[in-house]
Amino acid sequence: AQTVTQSQPEMSVQEAETVTLSCTYDTSENNYYLFWYKQPPSRQMILVIRQEAYKQQNATENRFSVNFQKAAKSFSLKISDSQLGDTAMYFCAFHNPNTDKLIFGTGTRLQVFP
Amino acid sequence: DAGVTQSPTHLIKTRGQQVTLRCSPKSGHDTVSWYQQALGQGPQFIFQYYEEEERQRGNFPDRFSGHQFPNYSSELNVNALLLGDSALYLCASSLGVGQETQYFGPGTRLLVL
Repeated sequence: AQTVTQSQPEMSVQEAETVTLSCTYDTSENNYYLFWYKQPPSRQMILVIRQEAYKQQNATENRFSVNFQKAAKSFSLKISDSQLGDTAMYFCAFHNPNTDKLIFGTGTRLQVFP
Repeated sequence: DAGVTQSPTHLIKTRGQQVTLRCSPKSGHDTVSWYQQALGQGPQFIFQYYEEEERQRGNFPDRFSGHQFPNYSSELNVNALLLGDSALYLCASSLGVGQETQYFGPGTRLLVL
């Protein structure tokens, strides 16, 4: 069974600074996808970034980038130039295309301070 | 481009009652997955519907059932409600099965008293 671990329950960062959120996972699969979702207080789960396991290149989306280490089963999210609107819960998720279900970690609460 | 919509936004029920939650997928999507998110936890997969059939199911009892309609919208039904069923219920839609990203709706907050 796949598992996802987020070891940082809470993080804080000052506006305009950079922060990195950690995620590790466990799987015996070779083909899978990894995601970071953001959940602000409004509750809507918003896609931040997606990584295909077969791609060695790390995914980037504007200020968001990942450090994907397949052998180490690590998938961290880096947020550059943090903004107040980045304040939210961040969930790392594993996706097995065979079952098509997402397995989520317990989340990291990120607070961005002015 | 309409995103995923869910109704109602909030619901209060008492133990033993039954509840129905509704989800309309993002325009162009045909697959709907349901998740339960307890307070302070990550979402847990309940089941997935594709081509009006339940394709996958998580570790949830038979009290949780669902349906998908020909227009791809979906319902989640929970019978004999327990206090522990209080949670945020999220619907996610995608195109086909397996490869595509799931996009989430705003959720329905269910409180069981």
